[in-house]
Parts: sequence; structure tokens; C-alpha cells
Amino acid sequence: DIQMTQSPSTLSASEGDRVTITCRASQSINSWLAWYQQKPGKAPELLIYEASNLQSGVPLRFSGSRSGTEFTLTISSLQPDDSANYYCQQYSGYPYTFGQGTKLEIK
Amino acid sequence: QVQLVQSGAEVKKPGASVKLSCKTSGYAFTDYAVHWVRQAPGRRFEWLGWINPGTVNTAYSQNLQGRVTITRDSYAKTVYMELNNLDFEDTAVYYCARLCCGQPFDMWGQGTRVTVS
Repeated sequence: DIQMTQSPSTLSASEGDRVTITCRASQSINSWLAWYQQKPGKAPELLIYEASNLQSGVPLRFSGSRSGTEFTLTISSLQPDDSANYYCQQYSGYPYTFGQGTKLEIK
Repeated sequence: QVQLVQSGAEVKKPGASVKLSCKTSGYAFTDYAVHWVRQAPGRRFEWLGWINPGTVNTAYSQNLQGRVTITRDSYAKTVYMELNNLDFEDTAVYYCARLCCGQPFDMWGQGTRVTVS
């Protein structure tokens, strides 16, 4: 199985800050990586697909990038509504696997 | 609008089976695969399997050792996931999600909590 290592596990930042979350795949997944946001008691919502494509309706402050097997989710200017858990997921091959998640808190 | 609506919470005893449903609407049922994923307390998301509602092709996680079966009812536009021989470690929130065309899960059900106790 492809292992996805996500960091950090928790992140605390202030409104307006730029934050980054990283996910590393244990082998090549090309750009078959997605980022999701999940709020307590809710299903995940797709933010980014194919490493860097913004899902329709997602604010432009969210962006994704890839360097080899390392992927980054960036929030350019943190808003209070961004307080949530974030997960990466590879969909290059079965079984699809997820990172362990990042809990983002707004100071 | 596109919706995936899942069945309600379940409480089961060890060794029992559970069958969850995921009713779809707002899109062509056969255009999207439907996958099942679960989120157990303190653990990362785990992919369980998927079905192509058009061809009825399925694939399952080998980690479940043959305990999972995914089926569909085209007339009801509903996908089902049955998990047998439940264990305490199967306690989780189970989600269905659709996937198509190189995109990952763009729509999810609201989740169904399954408690094995």
C-alpha cells in the first residue's frame, strides 16, 4: 500500500497568516493527490484535486503544489472559517490511502 | 442538486452483519463510481471498496479479508455496503462518496455511524 505521511499533526495560526501543510507519498503517485477539509460532525469536502487544481466553489486562498512525491496545501490568508481538519489522499492506486490529518486552529 | 443520502446509525453485536445504504440523486447514476470509506476514532480514513453502478464491477480492500460486499439497485439509484462478522474495530463512521473521470471524491454522503458493542 502507498503510505501518506502528513505534517504537521496540529497547527495554530492567526487570521491573515499564510499556512502550509505537507504530505509525502511513499512512492510515485504522479499528481493523483487530493486535499479535503473536514469540520466536526461533517463529511470531508474536496478542496484540491490532481495536486494543484482548485475544486469549483473553493476560495482562491487555497492552493496546492507538487514536488516529486511531496505535496503542499497552502492557505494564503487564514480566515476564521478555515478552522478544521485537513487530509490528503492519494488516488493513484488501490487501496486509496489518506494522510493522518492536520488539525488547524485559529488563534 | 447532487446528493448522496446515507441510512441511519446502527448498533450491532460482534459477529453480526450490517448493511448500509447510499441513495444518490441529482446526477446520472451510472456516470460515477461509488466508493465506501470509513473513519474510526483516532484512526485515519480507510478505503473499503467501490462499485461501478453501470458495469457492476467491484473492488475491495484486501484488509477486510472478504467481509465486505458492495451492491447497487439501479432503479432506486442506491448503493449498498454490507460488512459481515463485525468486530469492535469496525466501530466507525462510514461514508459513501462518488468518483469520476480522474477526479477524487467530489461529493460525499453525510456518514453513518456504526457501533459494535
